Amino acid sequence: AQSVTQLDSHVSVSEGTPVLLRCNYSSSYSPSLFWYVQHPNKGLQLLLKYTSAATLVKGINGFEAEFKKSETSFHLTKPSAHMSDAAEYFCVVSGPTGFQKLVFGTGTRLLVSP
Amino acid sequence: EPEVTQTPSHQVTQMGQEVILRCVPISNHLYFYWYRQILGQKVEFLVSFYNNEISEKSEIFDDQFSVERPDGSNFTLKIRSTKLEDSAMYFCASRGDTEFFHFGNGTRLTVT
Repeated sequence: AQSVTQLDSHVSVSEGTPVLLRCNYSSSYSPSLFWYVQHPNKGLQLLLKYTSAATLVKGINGFEAEFKKSETSFHLTKPSAHMSDAAEYFCVVSGPTGFQKLVFGTGTRLLVSP
Repeated sequence: EPEVTQTPSHQVTQMGQEVILRCVPISNHLYFYWYRQILGQKVEFLVSFYNNEISEKSEIFDDQFSVERPDGSNFTLKIRSTKLEDSAMYFCASRGDTEFFHFGNGTRLTVT
């Protein structure tokens, strides 16, 4: 069965500094990986996805993630945090094809201070 | 851009009552899902639905839960006799024949 582990429950950064949200995955087959963001009292918005094409994936709002098979990691980064980035971020794995479901990590709350 | 819509946004019910959470998936999508998120916890898979039948369900999805696609547009989740521990945010999702899941904004269910 596939799973993801988000290594930090909370990450605090200052506005304008880099963001790193860590995720490790476990899968017996080539996974599809996603990052979703959830702002307070809002739904789940897809930030970016990896589906076995380029290992460096660019998403919305300046976020990107790099798939590293050797490290089984899919960390989310952003060069410069903005106050509006404060939210809950979920690393998600899915597969195989067919009736695939999404399996969510426990989430990382990103706090951005002025 | 098409959206998944969920109603109501908030639902308060008393323990033991039946509730129906409603979702309108994106019109040409084929796969439908319900997830839930208990406050402070991770998003958990409940059930997937394809071709008018359940394709997979989790251990959470017991006999108190059911899903239905009563017409060509709605996808509902029914909880027959709610318990306090059913209080959560319930998300509906749909997808076509790609990996992209489209989520609704959720229904916050509070059982008192």
